[in-house]
Formats: sequence, structure tokens, C-alpha cells
Amino acid sequence: DAMVIQNPRYQVTQFGKPVTLSCSQTLNHNVMYWYQQKSSQAPKLLFHYYDKDFNNEADTPDNFQSRRPNTSFCFLDIRSPGLGDAAMYLCATSRAGGLADDEQYFGPGTRLTVT
Amino acid sequence: GENVEQHPSTLSVQEGDSAVIKCTYSDSASNYFPWYKQELGKGPQLIIDIRSNVGEKKDQRIAVTLNKTAKHFSLHITETQPEDSAVYFCAAKNNAGKSTFGDGTTLTVKP
Repeated sequence: DAMVIQNPRYQVTQFGKPVTLSCSQTLNHNVMYWYQQKSSQAPKLLFHYYDKDFNNEADTPDNFQSRRPNTSFCFLDIRSPGLGDAAMYLCATSRAGGLADDEQYFGPGTRLTVT
Repeated sequence: GENVEQHPSTLSVQEGDSAVIKCTYSDSASNYFPWYKQELGKGPQLIIDIRSNVGEKKDQRIAVTLNKTAKHFSLHITETQPEDSAVYFCAAKNNAGKSTFGDGTTLTVKP
């Protein structure tokens, strides 16, 4: 049973053309995360939501935005994709981000290609 | 902030041998240490984790050890199989809930 679902799995967009990636979860978890993962590198946290509270990483470019309209859904908006934004984007959830000992559940990722 | 170093970056073993991957972390406030397996084209999947009040944890062929004093933890896979081939990431999570990942180890198990 899918717990963290990402759509689409593969997305191709043109340079500068806005794109939205989506994530949904059936776990009813409080926290949702967006990571960027480039080839052969570690996932890099972009931002996370604790319920509706948005937390941006200091080095996340302004080009990246996020929305969480309800507990189940979270969106990643890239306003003007550049070639350097081509990557795998991973969504993850956890029960409660305030506790250190809390497992993250990852989705399968969306592979973004920028042409 | 937290810094997690992972070694080796690549590891090749013969089927049936053991594999060991090591990570060090810098933030003494980190107290949750998961290990993820990532197969090609998929998201990371948790395979084992350890909390700071435990020194060792085992789950069948997989074990993790933690030395809080030295700030390092290790993944041990015994009796490796070709399906163990993947990229493995360690991570350290602090009280603020933020996970910092190591750079990954590409494990290849040769039949």
C-alpha cells in the first residue's frame, strides 16, 4: 500500500517554465519534507512543514516555493526552473518533527528534467 | 550545523562476504541515526535505525553500532546477496527534527 505518493514520477519542463510537483500521504503525519537529490549525492533538505508551519532552509533558493493546503498534500513549485534544478525531488513524512527519534517515510521521487 | 561524513563512497564485495559502512557526525545533540537503502530510480527506504540510548541493534543480516563518545556509527551487512546492491545513506537527526545525510556509499555485491 502506497504511503507517500509522488506525482508525476517523471517531469520534463522547459527552462524558465514554472512547474509543480505534488506529494500526498496516507499516514496522517504532521510533518512533510521536500528534498532535492542530484545524481550520486545525498538528499538535500529544501523545506519542511510541521502541520501548517513552514520552515525554509537558509540556503534554499527563492525560486523554490511550497504549499501545504491540508494534512495529506504538499506541493513544490519551481517558479523559473534552470538547468541546475534538474534533479530527483523527494517528498518525505514523519509523525512529529519535534522529536529527534522519528522515522521518515520517503516517496519514490519525481525526476525533473529541464530542457 | 551538523556534518555527517560517510565512508567508503564505493564498496565492492563478493556474495556471502560482509560489508561495513561507517559514518561520523559532529553535533553531540543528534540522537537518532537511521540508515537508508536507495535503489536506482527509487526513494530512500529505512532499513535500520538506532537511538542514542542504545549501542547496538540487529535485524537479521543487518546491524548498526553506535559510539556516542566518538560520534560514529556503522552499518554491518553479513552474508551479502546481489540484491543488497544499492546506495546506502546514513543520517543523523537532532532535537529540532532536522536530518543531515551522509554522501552515500554505493555497494556492489558480486555474484
